[in-house]
Amino acid sequence: AQKVTQAQTEISVVEKEDVTLDCVYETRDTTYYLFWYKQPPSGELVFLIRRNSFDEQNEISGRYSWNFQKSTSSFNFTITASQVVDSAVYFCALSLGSSNTGKLIFGQGTTLQVKP
Amino acid sequence: DGGITQSPKYLFRKEGQNVTLSCEQNLNHDAMYWYRQDPGQGLRLIYYSQIVNDFQKGDIAEGYSVSREKKESFPLTVTSAQKNPTAFYLCASRNNRGPYEQYFGPGTRLTVT
Repeated sequence: AQKVTQAQTEISVVEKEDVTLDCVYETRDTTYYLFWYKQPPSGELVFLIRRNSFDEQNEISGRYSWNFQKSTSSFNFTITASQVVDSAVYFCALSLGSSNTGKLIFGQGTTLQVKP
Repeated sequence: DGGITQSPKYLFRKEGQNVTLSCEQNLNHDAMYWYRQDPGQGLRLIYYSQIVNDFQKGDIAEGYSVSREKKESFPLTVTSAQKNPTAFYLCASRNNRGPYEQYFGPGTRLTVT
């Protein structure tokens, strides 16, 4: 069975602190895709990143970085020097390559609060 | 501007009434999806459609119906058979030929009393 676990329900940090959001996934498929989405208070999900199962390179985009490790089935997300605008709910999601339906399996989400 | 629109943002209905949520996209995406989000929970898939005139049930399809008569449009009807319809509903779309991320609309918050 496929599953995504975000063990951290809520995280609270002070502005400029670094914060890491954990994501652990389960699948037996060899081809899959991992995603991170941000949901600000407005409600719309904003796409942040996609990672293919065959590409374990870490990625950095400004203050955001992602660490993909197949050995531990993890796809963690780090925000460096957090800002108040980073406050949101963050979702990790999994899509299987074998079905090609694009169905996303979401984790429960991590609510990040960045205090000034 | 390309994107996904959902209307209305807030919707109120009396119990026992059917209600249709609109979703339109001008991204020329092949596939469209409907998700439901309850407070403090992740998103769950209701229905999806990979091509026009075809759609499939997701994980929680009971009490919902959809149609896909046009590539741009994927309306969701919440029927009176849905036992707990109050929720936040999100529509998404993606290109079947890649890249494979889904793009989401702003959502409709449905309250049934």
